[in-house]
Amino acid sequence: EADIYQTPRYLVIGTGKKITLECSQTMGHDKMYWYQQDPGMELHLIHYSYGVNSTEKGDLSSESTVSRIRTEHFPLTLESARPSHTSQYLCASSDGQRKPHDYGGGDTQYFGPGTRLTVL
Amino acid sequence: KNQVEQSPQSLIILEGKNCTLQCNYTVSPFSNLRWYKQDTGRGPVSLTIMTFSENTKSNGRYTATLDADTKQSSLHITASQLSDSASYICVVSDRGSTLGRLYFGRGTQLTVWP
Repeated sequence: EADIYQTPRYLVIGTGKKITLECSQTMGHDKMYWYQQDPGMELHLIHYSYGVNSTEKGDLSSESTVSRIRTEHFPLTLESARPSHTSQYLCASSDGQRKPHDYGGGDTQYFGPGTRLTVL
Repeated sequence: KNQVEQSPQSLIILEGKNCTLQCNYTVSPFSNLRWYKQDTGRGPVSLTIMTFSENTKSNGRYTATLDADTKQSSLHITASQLSDSASYICVVSDRGSTLGRLYFGRGTQLTVWP
């Protein structure tokens, strides 16, 4: 079992609210990722960080933002939630070499349990 | 266009039976291929990883094969158990300009009945 945690596991919220999805890992990994996954669909990378104070946009455009102030913590924020943001959000980490634009292809990624977000 | 296609989309088998899941990809250049298991409501967990030179890799009752020439992979599950019920995701990595980008399949939803 990977030591990577996400809270909350489920969130139902109204349109226009600001939300923060938490992700923490205790493995000391430099690289962390946020993915978005709709039912029956593939995972899409929305954010990537290869270390403290580094963040990059992923392949799928997202209105969310992320920060990496501490190695173990990689929160995702939506300033104003909309129904189109309804999805599952998965956080992952890996211990590969720190470098920009390296989306973990050479690493084994460890995933958290996910947060299922519903925006009404 | 780099893609990963999995088949079947869903599969139901009886406990104790074997099954094989398929993955075809068009990702180029190829770096490695992974199979992940994703239980309902959980994050994916890595089962196997294969590079270009490897054509088979086992992890307990799971055996993955890779044919890099035809760009096909399979995951064979032997003597299935109820706990094997999950989505199995094929993930291919490239070594292109964006180093180590991952391409995910949509998964095969496996249900094992008692």
